[in-house]
Amino acid sequence: QLQLQESGPGLVKPSETLSLTCTVSGGSISSYFWSWIRQPPGKGLEWIGSIYYSGSTYYNPSLKSRATISQDTSKKQFSLKLTSVTAADTAVYYCARRGGYPHAFDMWGQGTMVTVSS
Amino acid sequence: QSALTQPPSASGSPGQSVTISCTGTSSDVGGYNYVSWYQQHPGKAPKLMIFEVSQRPSGVPDRFSGSKSGNTASLTVSGLQAEDEADYYCSSYAGSNNFGVFGGGTKLTVL
Repeated sequence: QLQLQESGPGLVKPSETLSLTCTVSGGSISSYFWSWIRQPPGKGLEWIGSIYYSGSTYYNPSLKSRATISQDTSKKQFSLKLTSVTAADTAVYYCARRGGYPHAFDMWGQGTMVTVSS
Repeated sequence: QSALTQPPSASGSPGQSVTISCTGTSSDVGGYNYVSWYQQHPGKAPKLMIFEVSQRPSGVPDRFSGSKSGNTASLTVSGLQAEDEADYYCSSYAGSNNFGVFGGGTKLTVL
């Protein structure tokens, strides 16, 4: 069964770069969009961006200038870099698959909490 | 402020039905039949419950149904059960530059 697992530092200093990796296991990385979605404490979900297995990337316009998503298909991993972070970037970060069902995020990782604080 | 508007809370007694609304614009909900709904229990990842407005993924009970009229989508949970108590989020495709606008979430309480 397909599983996604986020990994990365749980604490990042203000103005620095947040870096997370999602490892996909139990299934193929081909023919899907692989996405990052975040959820600030007590708040709703926010799509950050997605990468197609071919390498094309798509970003939330509100974060586009700070977010970069890349992938290593040989390792079945995709990554998020978010620059110039502030306390507003404190959130649970989820990686998710989009496309198992049309235009829906059908498989999710368990999420990883990232706190931005000095 | 979320792109899609949901009521912050909804409630119903076991066995009853409850409907949660999700209002967007002609650029998202009204423009595409790509509304999805997610259930999230505390401390857990969201789970896809509805896609393409009214389609259920494999394994989702048929007590969950979706619909859309104009710029407003709705999720109905029939025959409420205790395990349905959770947060529910709607999402809509909004074009090739915006894969997923989300609602602010609705906390469903089973009385």
